[in-house]
Amino acid sequence: QLQLQESGPGLVKPSETLPLTCTVSGGSISSSDYYWGWIRQPPGKGLEWIGSIYYRGNTYYNPSLKSRVTLSVDTSKNQFSLRLSSVTAADSAMYYCVRDDFSDSEYDCWGQGTLVTVSS
Amino acid sequence: NFVLTQPHSVSESPGKTVTISCTRSSGSIDSNYIQWYQQRPGSAPTTVIYEDKQRPSGVPDRFSGSIDSSSNSASLTISGLKTEDEADYFCQSYDSSNQVFGGGTKLTVL
Repeated sequence: QLQLQESGPGLVKPSETLPLTCTVSGGSISSSDYYWGWIRQPPGKGLEWIGSIYYRGNTYYNPSLKSRVTLSVDTSKNQFSLRLSSVTAADSAMYYCVRDDFSDSEYDCWGQGTLVTVSS
Repeated sequence: NFVLTQPHSVSESPGKTVTISCTRSSGSIDSNYIQWYQQRPGSAPTTVIYEDKQRPSGVPDRFSGSIDSSSNSASLTISGLKTEDEADYFCQSYDSSNQVFGGGTKLTVL
C-alpha cells in the first residue's frame, strides 16, 4: 500500500527558507504514470496547490508561488522535496505531499500532513 | 486563471439528499476533469469523485458527481445522508498552467 510521509521543521523564522521532504513507501517514485506534488492548507482555510514534479525532474508550479518554490526529486531515496523561500506568516499551514495522477490531475494519495508555523 | 466557487456551508438531515455546487468562473467546466475531496477534521483529504463522476473503490454509491455545461458548474450529490458524511468537501480542476481548488463547503448533518 502506497504511503507518503512528510518531514521537516515545524517552526521557521520569517524571511528564511522552508524545507520539506516527502518519503514514498510501498511504491516507486519512478513510476511513469504519476507526478508528485505539494498542497498546503492554512488553519481553518482551503487547499492551495504549490507544485508538482516528475521523477525525471520536470516541474510545474502554482504561478502565484513560482518565484519562491523549488521542487526536487531523489529517486535513489524514493523522496521528493520542497523549498519555499522568503517565508512570511502567510505561509503558516499544514503541508501535504501527494501523488498526482496527471492523466486526470487527481490527487489520489496524500500524506498525513505536517504543520509549519512561520514565527520569530 | 479561473476560480472555482462553492457555497460556504450546507446542512441537511440524516437520510436526506444534499447537493454541493462548484462553479467555474472562466473556461468550460467540461474542458478539464473535476475531482471532489472529502476532508474530515484532523485528517487529510480523500477522493470521493474523480473524472467528474467516477467513484473510487470503497466510496459508497450514495456519492455521485455531475457536470452542467449550461451553468458551467459541477455538482456533488450525497443521498441517504449519514452523520459520518459530515465533513468539508472541496472541488478541484485544472488548466494548462495551474491546479485550482474550490474554497470548500462545510456539510453539517443534523
